[in-house]
Amino acid sequence: AQTVTQSQPEMSVQEAETVTLSCTYDTSESDYYLFWYKQPPSRQMILVIRQEAYKQQNATENRFSVNFQKAAKSFSLKISDSQLGDAAMYFCAYRSPGGGADGLTFGKGTHLIIQP
Amino acid sequence: NAGVTQTPKFRVLKTGQSMTLLCAQDMNHEYMYWYRQDPGMGLRLIHYSVGEGTTAKGEVPDGYNVSRLKKQNFLLGLESAAPSQTSVYFCASTHPIAGGGNEQYFGPGTRLTVT
Repeated sequence: AQTVTQSQPEMSVQEAETVTLSCTYDTSESDYYLFWYKQPPSRQMILVIRQEAYKQQNATENRFSVNFQKAAKSFSLKISDSQLGDAAMYFCAYRSPGGGADGLTFGKGTHLIIQP
Repeated sequence: NAGVTQTPKFRVLKTGQSMTLLCAQDMNHEYMYWYRQDPGMGLRLIHYSVGEGTTAKGEVPDGYNVSRLKKQNFLLGLESAAPSQTSVYFCASTHPIAGGGNEQYFGPGTRLTVT
């Protein structure tokens, strides 16, 4: 079974600064998908960014980018120019290939605090 | 479109009572999922369905049953609630695509407390 580990229960960053959230995973599969989800206090799960394992290029979505190191099984999220609205729980998630039928495996999450 | 909706949003049960959580989606998605979220544990998959009339067990299925009688609805049942089932429950849905990189769309969650 796959496992996802987020080693930082909580992170704090000053507004407008850059922060990196860590995620490592364990799998024997060669092809898979990785996701970062954001959960603000409203509890709604919001997709931030996704990465296909067979793509070497790191995914980017505006101020959010990932550093995907397949050999190291590492998938970190970098948030540039942090904003107050970025304050939330962030979850790293793994999905096996095959159409996505069997759901996501989540890490335990990182609570991101933005200091004004 | 309403997306994924969940009913109810909050519920308090006594130990041994039963209840059903309803998930509905209007995006014509084939796949639907139930997760639970506990403090410090992230989300864990309870059961999932890849189509009308089919269901399968996830990581933590004990104490729950599910049904997918209609494509747009996915029901999660607790036959005899226990305090260990106090949690926030999320429903999600998605379309199948080759490879599995499709986004899952989540409902707003149901906070269940069992006393």
